[in-house]
Amino acid sequence: EVQLVESGGGLVQPGGSLRLSCAASGFTVSSNYMTWVRQAPGKGLEWVSVIYSGGSTYYADSVKGRFTISRDNSKNTLYLQMNSLRAEDTAVYYCARETRYYYGSGSYNVWGQGTTVTVSS
Amino acid sequence: QSVLTQPPSVSGAPGQRVTISCTGSSSNIGAGYDVHWYQQLPGTAPKLLIYANSNRPSGVPDRFSGSKSGTSASLAITGLQAEDEADYYCQSYDSSLSGLYVFGTGTKVTVL
Repeated sequence: EVQLVESGGGLVQPGGSLRLSCAASGFTVSSNYMTWVRQAPGKGLEWVSVIYSGGSTYYADSVKGRFTISRDNSKNTLYLQMNSLRAEDTAVYYCARETRYYYGSGSYNVWGQGTTVTVSS
Repeated sequence: QSVLTQPPSVSGAPGQRVTISCTGSSSNIGAGYDVHWYQQLPGTAPKLLIYANSNRPSGVPDRFSGSKSGTSASLAITGLQAEDEADYYCQSYDSSLSGLYVFGTGTKVTVL
């Protein structure tokens, strides 16, 4: 069964760090485009970061320079290292697998259940 | 900040047809990039509803349909049912410097 399970969320103080994990089963993380999407309380979805199968990484302006996406092929797991956290980073963080149809067209057909990050003193 | 604009809410009685618009610009939908739609039930992860403008994944009822024209796209729900009450988001690709992937602002569908 194709599945994504996130972990690592929690309460952290402003300026602190946290690493989120997303364990995949039923498919190979390194062969896919993998993404992090977040949703602040009561708000909409926000794309955060993507890592392509070739290893290229991209970030939303709101997290660029603070967050790092990576993967561990041996563990078939995706990560999001979050540093210099701010109150506005408080959200549920979802990992998702992209199905790429062609350049400029990709949808998220597999989602994790989400992990909650709260940044507060 | 979302660059795809959706109405905050739409509503309809059971059996009616409702539509949700998704308005973009020349750097995303207007540039020819596909639009995808997601349904998010309360307290759950989003679920892919429509991909590449008008295609339904296996298992999605044919009551849901999508279309795209110019700088906008639309999601239509015909024969509205109580279980369709949820948040709906459009998503596309954006070629501007602000980011690669963009989501719409989201629309709450209420079944009266």
